[in-house]
Amino acid sequence: VQLVESGGGLVQPGGSLRLSCSTSGFMFSSYGMAWVRQAPGKGLEWVSTISGSGSSKYYADSVKGRFTTSRDLSKNTLFLQMNTLRAEDTAQYYCARVVHMIKGNFDFWGQGTQVTVSS
Amino acid sequence: FTLTQPHSVSESPGMTVTISCTRSSGSIASNYVQWYQQRPGGSLITVIFEDDQRPPGVPDRFSGSIDSASNSASLIISGLKTEDDADYFCQSSDNFLWVFGGGTKLTVL
Repeated sequence: VQLVESGGGLVQPGGSLRLSCSTSGFMFSSYGMAWVRQAPGKGLEWVSTISGSGSSKYYADSVKGRFTTSRDLSKNTLFLQMNTLRAEDTAQYYCARVVHMIKGNFDFWGQGTQVTVSS
Repeated sequence: FTLTQPHSVSESPGMTVTISCTRSSGSIASNYVQWYQQRPGGSLITVIFEDDQRPPGVPDRFSGSIDSASNSASLIISGLKTEDDADYFCQSSDNFLWVFGGGTKLTVL
């Protein structure tokens, strides 16, 4: 199992960014996927989860209405579209595989991609 | 609900340490608890899932438990090694909302 994030960078407040998580080594459509972030010096914060089919999506209140998660089953890739970015969105963003949507456990994690929101 | 962990713990090599994770509302037994290790550099691995299950490759020095009386989960690491020096996060979910504890810095010295 491999998860590789990309797309991070420096963006101005109010701007947009699209993160990608390229996956391999497992049947992508069989697993939910999640985004988790970590602000500098802080703990882990759940951002969003999407079901295996992509039909169900869940968001933390802090990003609801601004972030959209999606997946391309043909490319085994997970996305996070981030709009109206704020300074407090600055963080390392990790994608993780969800073993079971009800049990709620993650098993594999990517290495993360850094997002910095600053003018 | 929230999950509360001690900010830091320290112990000597070879000893045993317990890291707690207390749920603020609702029963700790209602939803599974996981534990993740984050070493310096940021890499994350799962060390305990579904309260007390250990993934392949994780040493049996790592164990997990839950205690309904205190409404908390615990990560127990025995025979501490310097490589266990890391941050540890508990995590649970309820009704498709995922929650992490604030993390505990384990120092092995």
